[in-house]
Amino acid sequence: GQQVMQIPQYQHVQEGEDFTTYCNSSTTLSNIQWYKQRPGGHPVFLIQLVKSGEVKKQKRLTFQFGEAKKNSSLHITATQTTDVGTYFCALQYSSASKIIFGSGTRLSIRP
Amino acid sequence: DAGVTQSPTHLIKTRGQQVTLRCSPKSGHDTVSWYQQALGQGPQFIFQYYEEEERQRGNFPDRFSGHQFPNYSSELNVNALLLGDSALYLCASSATGNTIYFGEGSWLTVV
Repeated sequence: GQQVMQIPQYQHVQEGEDFTTYCNSSTTLSNIQWYKQRPGGHPVFLIQLVKSGEVKKQKRLTFQFGEAKKNSSLHITATQTTDVGTYFCALQYSSASKIIFGSGTRLSIRP
Repeated sequence: DAGVTQSPTHLIKTRGQQVTLRCSPKSGHDTVSWYQQALGQGPQFIFQYYEEEERQRGNFPDRFSGHQFPNYSSELNVNALLLGDSALYLCASSATGNTIYFGEGSWLTVV
């Protein structure tokens, strides 16, 4: 069956350090989305990647979609305390299929 | 412009009872999806409604049912509640093919 793996499960970094979370699928994807969920909050859409090899940036966040459209990463440069939360990838295997969420990477930061 | 609104925000039910959760989508959105998020996990897709019909369904038992009304609002019903149904229930709305927006969720505790 279709499976999604997101790693690491947790990451604790010093403020100012970089952070990366990875998402891998066993099957080629139509697109991948990334969400951030603050503690006690709801998931908030960050970005959608559609094209093979696509790279998108939002300020300190860099999102990549693998060439084979089976994996993706989110990289945060120079983390700040406002980056605390859980980051989820969400996959679609076709444009009309349900969205499947990864298990998330919880980021905590030492000031 | 109100975003996705859900009610109630918190509720406590007893095992065996039934619960109804409500969702009003963001203005202009015609598609509503429901997710269950257990503590420390990613959202799990329950089902999606479009044009008042269930379009897709995840791996949830028939105890979970829903409805979409002509104004695109939606309800999620869960019968014969189990302790394991305790979770955050998220409603997400979208216009076809576009970004999905989550509501703040309904926290259900089953005792």
